[in-house]
Amino acid sequence: DIQMTQSPSSLSASVGDRITITCRASQNIGNHLNWFRQKPGEGPKLLIYAASTLQTGVPSRFSGNGSGTEFTLSIIRVQPEDFATYFCQQSYSISPITFGQGTRLEIK
Amino acid sequence: QVQLQESGPGLVKPSETLSLTCTVSGGSISSSYWSWIRQAPGKGLEWIGCVYYSGRTDYNPSLKSRVTISVDTSKNQFSLKLSSVTAADTAVYYCARRIYDRSGSRFDSWGQGTRVTVSS
Repeated sequence: DIQMTQSPSSLSASVGDRITITCRASQNIGNHLNWFRQKPGEGPKLLIYAASTLQTGVPSRFSGNGSGTEFTLSIIRVQPEDFATYFCQQSYSISPITFGQGTRLEIK
Repeated sequence: QVQLQESGPGLVKPSETLSLTCTVSGGSISSSYWSWIRQAPGKGLEWIGCVYYSGRTDYNPSLKSRVTISVDTSKNQFSLKLSSVTAADTAVYYCARRIYDRSGSRFDSWGQGTRVTVSS
């Protein structure tokens, strides 16, 4: 299995801050990396796919970068609705598809 | 905008079979891949498997011996059966659409999730 490791596991920020979350893959996955936001009680929402492509309808304050084994998700000017948990997911190998363990963004 | 809704029992006894259905609305199930993903309490997301409208399936090797995912195109639904459940199968179960194109694959639409508890 391809292991996905996110860091940090949690972080605190204020509205308007810029934050960055890192996701590392246990092997080269090219750009086959997706990012999701999950609010409590809801299903995950796709934010970024193919490492850096913004999903339709997602605000431009979200951006993704990276390739190979190291990837980042950045949010500039964090908004109140962004306080949630973020997951990365590799789509390079389907056997199996794997997710990172999540990063919880909390209000400072 | 495609929408997905999970349904099924919220409580299943140990050793029995967990059965869930996902109803797709706002689009046809006769395209894309359709997936089940679960999240145990306080844990991350675990991919269970996918079905294509043709009936072709892919399963997580860790669950493959207990999982069956099937599709009913006439009802625009797909289903999950997980046999011989234990407390470790207690989780929120999500259905999701997985699309695949030249940019790769991604889960672009998700249901709200349904909580299943395994307990006697």
